Amino acid sequence: EAQVTQNPRYLITVTGKKLTVTCSQNMNHEYMSWYRQDPGLGLRQIYYSMNVEVTDKGDVPEGYKVSRKEKRNFPLILESPSPNQTSLYFCASSRNLYNEQFFGPGTRLTVL
Amino acid sequence: AQSVTQPDIHITVSEGASLELRCNYSYGATPYLFWYVQSPGQGLQLLLKYFSGDTLVQGIKGFEAEFKRSQSSFNLRKPSVHWSDAAEYFCAVGARNTGKLIFGQGTTLQVKP
Repeated sequence: EAQVTQNPRYLITVTGKKLTVTCSQNMNHEYMSWYRQDPGLGLRQIYYSMNVEVTDKGDVPEGYKVSRKEKRNFPLILESPSPNQTSLYFCASSRNLYNEQFFGPGTRLTVL
Repeated sequence: AQSVTQPDIHITVSEGASLELRCNYSYGATPYLFWYVQSPGQGLQLLLKYFSGDTLVQGIKGFEAEFKRSQSSFNLRKPSVHWSDAAEYFCAVGARNTGKLIFGQGTTLQVKP
């Protein structure tokens, strides 16, 4: 089944404790992207990747890192999480920017 | 830089009534435009998209949208709403030749029986 998977789905952590949210797609998509969703703000793009080893900042990249070492995986790293990073995070992939993005199920992160 | 505005945060319509959700964008050239829908507790699903050509685009679930360059708008329409259309709707604009995609704040649609 074609899908985008994210892990974990739920995470409660404390300020400053490094964490990684994994994202994997099995559709051989070149484009992948991370978003955060907050009430009243819609989705905001954190980082995107047009292809392996190519990443670029979205609208809200501060406090996040990403890597794209292989086509299928695009992990999101929070080196020192803070409470303002409490949010719902979505990973998405598509053949390219001009095609439909397929979204993962979301990761609900709470930073205490 | 591109931006998107969805002026209506919340809309309530009666089942069977027509629907129009507004989307205004700001971008220096012809953008790529999308409408996505998010049902409660779910991820997002593409309804339709516009890149070029015919300015009236048809999507899934009976939705359509019209690109109006002069008004910088890409409004979503449906002639007859069903209770299952209750969801949050997002307009998004993509910049050509980059990977950036900007979403609007979203419009929550409530459908009255």
